[in-house]
Amino acid sequence: DGGITQSPKYLFRKEGQNVTLSCEQNLNHDAMYWYRQDPGQGLRLIYYSQIVNDFQKGDIAEGYSVSREKKESFPLTVTSAQKNPTAFYLCASTGQGHRKLFFGEGSRLTVL
Amino acid sequence: GQQVMQIPQYQHVQEGEDFTTYCNSSTTLSNIQWYKQRPGGHPVFLIQLVKSGEVKKQKRLTFQFGEAKKNSSLHITATQTTDVGTYFCAGPKDSNYQLIWGAGTKLIIKP
Repeated sequence: DGGITQSPKYLFRKEGQNVTLSCEQNLNHDAMYWYRQDPGQGLRLIYYSQIVNDFQKGDIAEGYSVSREKKESFPLTVTSAQKNPTAFYLCASTGQGHRKLFFGEGSRLTVL
Repeated sequence: GQQVMQIPQYQHVQEGEDFTTYCNSSTTLSNIQWYKQRPGGHPVFLIQLVKSGEVKKQKRLTFQFGEAKKNSSLHITATQTTDVGTYFCAGPKDSNYQLIWGAGTKLIIKP
């Protein structure tokens, strides 16, 4: 089945540690996105990528980094510079000709 | 900057009552999308509206796009427990590769 796979689903980390969240899609979509969602809040864009080897900062990119070496993959690293990383992270993708977003099931990060 | 405001933040209803959420953009939108997020889940696309004054129905859900293409609404008739969740509207930013999201309206069914 086509879709977006995020891993891990739950992640705990200590302060000062970097963590990488995986996002893989087999929808052949060009554009991929990372969003952050805090309890009771909407979605805020961290980074997005329209094509391989290219990505742009969203509204809250500070403390995060991404790469887009393959069309299928768009991993997100939450660095120790991110002051308040505890949140629900959602990866999404969209294809050409429409802007409907397909989301992964999300990764819930808790900093201890 | 471009903003999308969504109200109310929460709506408590008895099962069988109607529910409405409203979305207002600070700028004219080329289209507007609606998503539903179940508790603990991820957003799922419901519909996209493109034309001025457009009205679309999906069973008990009615979506409207305003004449000026700056506002939209989602109305659910006779809510059921399966409708519980948060409903988000989203419109394209200038670049069209980004969406500006409303803060969502959480539908809560009273026991």
